[in-house]
Amino acid sequence: GAVVSQHPSRVICKSGTSVKIECRSLDFQATTMFWYRQFPKQSLMLMATSNEGSKATYEQGVEKDKFLINHASLTLSTLTVTSAHPEDSSFYICSAGGGLAGVNEQFFGPGTRLTVL
Amino acid sequence: AQSVSQHNHHVILSEAASLELGCNYSYGGTVNLFWYVQYPGQHLQLLLKYFSGDPLVKGIKGFEAEFIKSKFSFNLRKPSVQWSDTAEYFCAVEMDSNYQLIWGAGTKLIIKP
Repeated sequence: GAVVSQHPSRVICKSGTSVKIECRSLDFQATTMFWYRQFPKQSLMLMATSNEGSKATYEQGVEKDKFLINHASLTLSTLTVTSAHPEDSSFYICSAGGGLAGVNEQFFGPGTRLTVL
Repeated sequence: AQSVSQHNHHVILSEAASLELGCNYSYGGTVNLFWYVQYPGQHLQLLLKYFSGDPLVKGIKGFEAEFIKSKFSFNLRKPSVQWSDTAEYFCAVEMDSNYQLIWGAGTKLIIKP
């Protein structure tokens, strides 16, 4: 099946710094990528949807200036957490779909655990 | 509001027991239905999906799910669980084929050897 990678898998940073997380579709072109955040004991929360070459669509309550998403190519989307704070510590997961991956199916990356000190 | 609910947050079973995890959604239109699994330390993987046709869907590793439209349910079943089925299971629903999934809170399944 299609493979989606995320880098880094874990990151620890100081409060106030920015962190960039990459999401790559390795063997297919993803027209759409989604970014999720997983809270402990809760479901995945969709943060934003990004389509290649256009601005991301953010879900209500997600600060677009804080969580910058760029989808510059059909195989790469990045999420930058700007001026991170401890409450941003979470597990971030991307998924990719559309294009040659097929309609209505998403392939998930392994996730990135962010810890902000 | 559209939502997906999974009835049990934690389930503990012995090996060879039968499993049924509940999933209900609140939406009256067209849905696509998914079950994902996350094994310890691994990322989410698709277990099975329903788009149309036979409401009884078979997935990987002996799992199956039945879509009952009148009950807005898509329960996951396995007749005989194994220790390796210990994982967290997520139900997800795509409503009106808008390509975004609404997720249940997940069910942590622990299988005692």
